[in-house]
Amino acid sequence: SQQGEEDPQALSIQEGENATMNCSYKTSINNLQWYRQNSGRGLVHLILIRSNEREKHSGRLRVTLDTSKKSSSLLITASRAADTASYFCATGQYSGGGADGLTFGKGTHLIIQP
Amino acid sequence: DTAVSQTPKYLVTQMGNDKSIKCEQNLGHDTMYWYKQDSKKFLKIMFSYNNKELIINETVPNRFSPKSPDKAHLNLHINSLELGDSAVYFCASSQAFGFTEAFFGQGTRLTVV
Repeated sequence: SQQGEEDPQALSIQEGENATMNCSYKTSINNLQWYRQNSGRGLVHLILIRSNEREKHSGRLRVTLDTSKKSSSLLITASRAADTASYFCATGQYSGGGADGLTFGKGTHLIIQP
Repeated sequence: DTAVSQTPKYLVTQMGNDKSIKCEQNLGHDTMYWYKQDSKKFLKIMFSYNNKELIINETVPNRFSPKSPDKAHLNLHINSLELGDSAVYFCASSQAFGFTEAFFGQGTRLTVV
């Protein structure tokens, strides 16, 4: 079953601006991850935030996690044309008797206008 | 060296045929997965293998069968292909089950005609 829901579905901004994408999920999680997919390519891991963490940074990326609201956000600062891609959140959860692996949302398609 | 490689990259075949997609990872990971991405880019997990044992088998038709000859390989066999099987199939691997980052292959675009 689908776990993550990204918002917005599509986002177009000017180069240099910041891009913010949101993700909501339904069940308790062990961690939440963000991935990037360039057109016609596989997914590339960007960042992982654990359920006991509230914020994490990696270069121009900032991820927040609010487990009380079951939501996360990905902020890309000073966007570049190369950031044009689809961004997915994925949740890792564990249920008694067996781990469920990663469940992905539908993604946000980000377009950076030069 | 490619971490997760899958072949072929493109596969066009007729309805009713049987086909296989191969996947290999050289990361020494314990867990491998197959995901299906539909035309709307929605990714759904199909199978995962941990130390050659099937851990997840989502509600996929039994025409799809994973085969893992060893920890580094997880191949996907599809029998009696249908039009609705057209999609991009991704192989992935991770160190631990759902708790660490997953590494993805480049995908196999399957088109059933």
